[in-house]
Amino acid sequence: GDSVTQMEGPVTLSEEAFLTINCTYTATGYPSLFWYVQYPGEGLQLLLKATKADDKGSNKGFEATYRKETTSFHLEKGSVQVSDSAVYFCALRDAGGTSYGKLTFGQGTILTVHP
Amino acid sequence: DGGITQSPKYLFRKEGQNVTLSCEQNLNHDAMYWYRQDPGQGLRLIYYSQIVNDFQKGDIAEGYSVSREKKESFPLTVTSAQKNPTAFYLCAANSGTGRYGYTFGSGTRLTVV
Repeated sequence: GDSVTQMEGPVTLSEEAFLTINCTYTATGYPSLFWYVQYPGEGLQLLLKATKADDKGSNKGFEATYRKETTSFHLEKGSVQVSDSAVYFCALRDAGGTSYGKLTFGQGTILTVHP
Repeated sequence: DGGITQSPKYLFRKEGQNVTLSCEQNLNHDAMYWYRQDPGQGLRLIYYSQIVNDFQKGDIAEGYSVSREKKESFPLTVTSAQKNPTAFYLCAANSGTGRYGYTFGSGTRLTVV
């Protein structure tokens, strides 16, 4: 079945540092890929998405590129801020399903940014 | 503003009791989902519904039940058969258009006391 693997956390960085959170997946075909962010005590918010190979999703300074050859969708940001502290989830939706298809999530990566 | 409302935010259950978590949406989305979140395990799908009066089991449906009598509402009942119900529960909805559009509620934290 489909699966998503994220790098182990937690990740602790100083403000303005470069961020990478690795995400790899296992799925058939060409799934849609997503990054979600969860702030303490809240639900998930969509951060960015990519729906086909070589697409780059971007939002709020975060970027991720859909790499079919390495089955990866790594999240990057050039200069993190304290306000970026949150839990980040990588997710996929099966290409074979309908657009209502369920999301499969990675285990989440806790990011803490210090001033 | 359109969105998903989950209530209550915190819920306490005694051993052997059933409890129902509410999820209401005003987005006019067809599909709705219930996920369970445990520390270090990501989110796991409990049940989902693509249309009114129809729903399917997800990966961890045992000990849970749902109904979808109205498009706007998708309540989740945690039954006494669920042996480890303490978790954070998230409801989501999806319009199904353009392969996007999953919107999440703010969650309910259930604790067994």
